[in-house]
Amino acid sequence: DAKTTQPNSMESNEEEPVHLPCNHSTISGTDYIHWYRQLPSQGPEYVIHGLTSNVNNRMASLAIAEDRKSSTLILHRATLRDAAVYYCILSALIQGAQKLVFGQGTRLTINP
Amino acid sequence: DTGVSQDPRHKITKRGQNVTFRCDPISEHNRLYWYRQTLGQGPEFLTYFQNEAQLEKSRLLSDRFSAERPKGSFSTLEIQRTEQGDSAMYLCASSPWGSGISYGTEAFFGQGTRLTVV
Repeated sequence: DAKTTQPNSMESNEEEPVHLPCNHSTISGTDYIHWYRQLPSQGPEYVIHGLTSNVNNRMASLAIAEDRKSSTLILHRATLRDAAVYYCILSALIQGAQKLVFGQGTRLTINP
Repeated sequence: DTGVSQDPRHKITKRGQNVTFRCDPISEHNRLYWYRQTLGQGPEFLTYFQNEAQLEKSRLLSDRFSAERPKGSFSTLEIQRTEQGDSAMYLCASSPWGSGISYGTEAFFGQGTRLTVV
């Protein structure tokens, strides 16, 4: 299984940008990079995904390294509501199943 | 569109009892997934359906676990002879037709069913 490595926790201040790193050195050519986040007592929520090019949406930006072995989720202006566990995931076709393989994620704390 | 709905939200049961959870995916989503999440860990894949066909089961899904999606709409997850180690959050997710998670589309998760086995 292609795996990802993320810091266990990060801390930032409200209204400042946040850069959440992810390493995925064993990524295959067909793996998409997904980011989900999970607020307390909620199911995971989609944030963004990409394959090779950088991506932007209303929630965040995803910067993908040229060799695709790492990526960074960028929250441009963090709010208290962005405090959550952020998962960097590679979608994989494994034994016929298409599934997300979650790691431990990064617990993001936002200080007021 | 009310999102993915799971019922019940919480379940407390005695060890050895059987429990059944229900998941209603977003209408017309043909793919449905079950995950399990224990405290402090990321969700672990259990199984997934394309329409009514169960296409993959994790080794985590012992013979006490069974999942069905009889008409390709809602799904049920049953745990027989529950054990304390089954205590976890059970999450359901769905994604739309003609695409799948590996094709880079979004999966929508429900709020989960929290099972406590005492």
